[in-house]
Amino acid sequence: KAGVTQTPRYLIKTRGQQVTLSCSPISGHRSVSWYQQTPGQGLQFLFEYFSETQRNKGNFPGRFSGRQFSNSRSEMNVSTLELGDSALYLCASKPSGRVTGELFFGEGSRLTVL
Amino acid sequence: GQNIDQPTEMTATEGAIVQINCTYQTSGFNGLFWYQQHAGEAPTFLSYNVLDGLEEKGRFSSFLSRSKGYSYLLLKELQMKDSASYLCAVRDRGNTPLVFGKGTRLSVIA
Repeated sequence: KAGVTQTPRYLIKTRGQQVTLSCSPISGHRSVSWYQQTPGQGLQFLFEYFSETQRNKGNFPGRFSGRQFSNSRSEMNVSTLELGDSALYLCASKPSGRVTGELFFGEGSRLTVL
Repeated sequence: GQNIDQPTEMTATEGAIVQINCTYQTSGFNGLFWYQQHAGEAPTFLSYNVLDGLEEKGRFSSFLSRSKGYSYLLLKELQMKDSASYLCAVRDRGNTPLVFGKGTRLSVIA
């Protein structure tokens, strides 16, 4: 079974630009979460989508947005990039009905903002 | 608010045992997770505790005390490949998102 796939793996942008990151969850997983990982703050929750609906949202500015498609694939967008947005963006999917509810992570998209 | 604390870095010797502690303060509690993350790779799930006590899985064990807001991950017979970051995460209720600590970077030396 294929794991969580994120594209692109690496990208470099300049301040003020916008970026779109893509995530394909494990087949059959309907929940997709996004996290931002930085050395200083660790993993911080951005948002979670389930069946195309945003179920939870973290404490990030409105420049961060996301969506989920009918095939469970998800995208996140960051507009008006700032230097502080440089981070590893991790996507994770979760199967429905599992008691533990652990997340399965992709390898991330590493964004550098210059 | 939610607060999860774990040591930033630890060093241990190959073949030894190491214990990585995690303390948490959350409004509710619905499970504690440990993940392993090698440099440049995805975090991978190690263990889940929702009731007090010890869960053992091969060389790795995880302990939980809900009354103390405390957990630890115990790694036995350390191997060089265990050098990684270990992330403690808590779900405070229902389907709320996992909240992660900043991780403990473990270095295993010969």
